Amino acid sequence: EIVMTQSPATLSVSPGERATLSCRASQSVGSNLAWYQQKLGQAPRLLIYDASSRATGIPARFSGSGSGTDFTLTISSLQSEDFAVYYCQQYNDWPPFTFGQGTKLDIK
Amino acid sequence: EAQLEESGGGLVQPGGSLRLSCAASGFTFSYYSMYWVRLAPGKGLEWISYIKSDSSFIYYADSVKGRFTISRDNAKNSLYLQMNSLRDEDTAVYYCARAESRGYFDPWGQGTLVTVSS
Repeated sequence: EIVMTQSPATLSVSPGERATLSCRASQSVGSNLAWYQQKLGQAPRLLIYDASSRATGIPARFSGSGSGTDFTLTISSLQSEDFAVYYCQQYNDWPPFTFGQGTKLDIK
Repeated sequence: EAQLEESGGGLVQPGGSLRLSCAASGFTFSYYSMYWVRLAPGKGLEWISYIKSDSSFIYYADSVKGRFTISRDNAKNSLYLQMNSLRDEDTAVYYCARAESRGYFDPWGQGTLVTVSS
């Protein structure tokens, strides 16, 4: 099973600033990585797939990068609606599909 | 627009059973594989089951194998999760999600809460 590890667990950033979230896989997943956003009480929403492709309707301030074992989600200028929990997920080697434990993005 | 709506959650005693449903609309359900995923209190997302479009392949997480059964009815555009021998640790919001071809999850339903407690 591929273990996904996200860091940090909590990130406090001010609106308008840049946020950088990390995700590391226990073995290579190529570019088969997705990022999701989940707000409290809402369904998760796909942000990024194939490590760097934005899903339909996702603003350009969200970008993904990386391949192999190390990945980054960057939010270039935080808006109030961006404060949420973010998960990475690998789909290179399954089952099982595995998620990171999440990074909570807090308002500073 | 593709939409998913779960139902069937509720309060159940340990050892009990529950059947969740997921109604799909806005896309050709029979073309897509589907997933169930859960979010337990204080924890992260956990994938629990997968079913291929024609039900020819089914997979489970070890945590639910032998207790949960995924199924689908393509004629009714519906996905199901039969949950037996429920445990306290099965308490979670359960989501259904559509499988995109590469293996990511999009879209997701709003979720249904399952609480296992005596």
